[in-house]
Amino acid sequence: DIQMTQSPSSMYASVGDRVTITCRASQGISTWLAWYQQKPGKAPNLLIFGASSLQGGVPSRFSGSGSGTDFTLTISSLQPEDFAVYYCQQTNGFPSFGGGTKVEIK
Amino acid sequence: EVQLVESGGGLVQPGGSLRLSCAASGFTFNNYWMYWVRQAPGKGLVCVSRINNDGSGTIYADSVKGRFTISRDNAKNTLYLQMSGLRVDDTAVYYCVRDRKGLDTSLDYWGQGTLVTVSS
Repeated sequence: DIQMTQSPSSMYASVGDRVTITCRASQGISTWLAWYQQKPGKAPNLLIFGASSLQGGVPSRFSGSGSGTDFTLTISSLQPEDFAVYYCQQTNGFPSFGGGTKVEIK
Repeated sequence: EVQLVESGGGLVQPGGSLRLSCAASGFTFNNYWMYWVRQAPGKGLVCVSRINNDGSGTIYADSVKGRFTISRDNAKNTLYLQMSGLRVDDTAVYYCVRDRKGLDTSLDYWGQGTLVTVSS
């Protein structure tokens, strides 16, 4: 089974900040990686698939990069609606998720 | 508009059974693989099971293998999860989720979730 590890588990940031979240796979997964955003009491929302492809309707301030075992999600300028929990998921077969990164208001 | 609406959650005693349903609309249901993903209170996401588009292929997380059964009725546009031998650690919100139908297994539409509580 492929294990996904995210860091940090939580972080504080201000509106306008550039935010970077990392995700590491326990074995190489090429670019088979997705990112999701989850707000309290809501279902997750797909942001990025294929490590760097933006899902339709997702703002361009979100971007993803990486391949193999190391990946990043970047929010170029944090907006008030971006405070949420972010999850990575390996998409090469049966899905497995990282533990999540909570982005909180500084 | 794609909609996934789960039902069937509730309070059940350890060892009990429950069947979750997910009514799908707004897309051609029998073209898509479907999943159940759960989230324990305050915890992360765990994929529980997957079924292919015609129901001939299923896969389960080790934690539920032998206790849960995923199925679908394409004539009714409905996905099911039959849960038996429920344990306290099965307590979670259960989401019905659609595969994006790309080359990967990213998940593009999620239901609102149904809460299953296993407690005596």
